[in-house]
Amino acid sequence: AQRVTQPEKLLSVFKGAPVELKCNYSYSGSPELFWYVQYSRQRLQLLLRHISRESIKGFTADLNKGETSFHLKKPFAQEEDSAMYYCALIVFQGAQKLVFGQGTRLTINP
Amino acid sequence: NAGVMQNPRHLVRRRGQEARLRCSPMKGHSHVYWYRQLPEEGLKFMVYLQKENIIDESGMPKERFSAEFPKEGPSILRIQQVVRGDSAAYFCASSQDLGGTEAFFGQGTRLTVV
Repeated sequence: AQRVTQPEKLLSVFKGAPVELKCNYSYSGSPELFWYVQYSRQRLQLLLRHISRESIKGFTADLNKGETSFHLKKPFAQEEDSAMYYCALIVFQGAQKLVFGQGTRLTINP
Repeated sequence: NAGVMQNPRHLVRRRGQEARLRCSPMKGHSHVYWYRQLPEEGLKFMVYLQKENIIDESGMPKERFSAEFPKEGPSILRIQQVVRGDSAAYFCASSQDLGGTEAFFGQGTRLTVV
């Protein structure tokens, strides 16, 4: 079954510390993965996608097909990174759709 | 481009009433997706529509829920005879096409059933 798992509902780190938000997926095809972020009282927005291999706001994510993971990382957390983060996978089942993980609420402590 | 517009932002309904949630996609986008977010849970896919067509409704409850995306006007998610368990945030997203392109989200409609 196609599934995205984010094992941590809540993650709290201190400002300046490294951050890693975990994401594992289950999909039989070739995965297309994304990270979306939702800041307080704002809409969900795309943070990055694995295809473009870009770094946004200091975040990076590497697709590891062997471990079926797409963890989101940032070497030095900032207070403005506090938000809800969702990992998502495009699934092709006759039509395309985005399947989301449960989300991780990241809190950066000063 | 105003982005994906959802209204109302907040909707309160009594049990048994009908709820209508509207989503206007971004200009030029012909694909609309509806997601539901229950308290303390992630986003659950409900339905994927293109103009006048339901492409995938595998996430829609079998009863009381329906969705449409007419040729003119916004997409509508309709919930008949609402129950307390329908209380959730409902998000709409639109895209030109998936396959690596970005899906843009609305701010959501928070439905409260009292």
